[in-house]
Amino acid sequence: GAVVSQHPSWVICKSGTSVKIECRSLDFQATTMFWYRQFPKQSLMLMATSNEGSKATYEQGVEKDKFLINHASLTLSTLTVTSAHPEDSSFYICSARDRSMSEQFFGPGTRLTVL
Amino acid sequence: AQTVTQSQPEMSVQEAETVTLSCTYDTSENNYYLFWYKQPPSRQMILVIRQEAYKQQNATENRFSVNFQKAAKSFSLKISDSQLGDTAMYFCAFMRTSYDKVIFGPGTSLSVIP
Repeated sequence: GAVVSQHPSWVICKSGTSVKIECRSLDFQATTMFWYRQFPKQSLMLMATSNEGSKATYEQGVEKDKFLINHASLTLSTLTVTSAHPEDSSFYICSARDRSMSEQFFGPGTRLTVL
Repeated sequence: AQTVTQSQPEMSVQEAETVTLSCTYDTSENNYYLFWYKQPPSRQMILVIRQEAYKQQNATENRFSVNFQKAAKSFSLKISDSQLGDTAMYFCAFMRTSYDKVIFGPGTSLSVIP
């Protein structure tokens, strides 16, 4: 299957700072990327959908100004958590697919801890 | 709006036995996709099996098979000859079209007991 990477895999930051997480499709062009948040022992919660070259579409209840998503190329999307607070600590997962795919491919996830 | 329900938060099975995980969904669409994903302790999401609603034949992937009942909106996963490596969270998921987002169920935590 297609491969999606995420960087970093684990990040610790201080409250009030911003953190950027990268999601890359390594062997295919991802016209669409998705960002999820997952709390322990819970399901994946979709935060936003991004199409290459367009503004991201955020799910209801997700703060656009706090979770900035950029999908500037067909292989890279970034999620920036601005002014992070301890309640933003979570596991963030991205996925990607192109128009010809009926499934999405997941990155390995990024564990964010805000102190 | 589409919803996905998994009524079994936790399940366990003896190694080499068979277990069935339940999933129901709600949609008014006629054509859609259904998935079972596995999330082991590493937390990497792995696609186990996929079913397209227009196909009447149940999907099968080695030890994994589904029982797709379209009228009942049911999509259960059967794992045969359970192995220790099958221990994981299993998520049932629904996708309206290949251009749409995926909706996940709450998950079932499966433990395979030696």
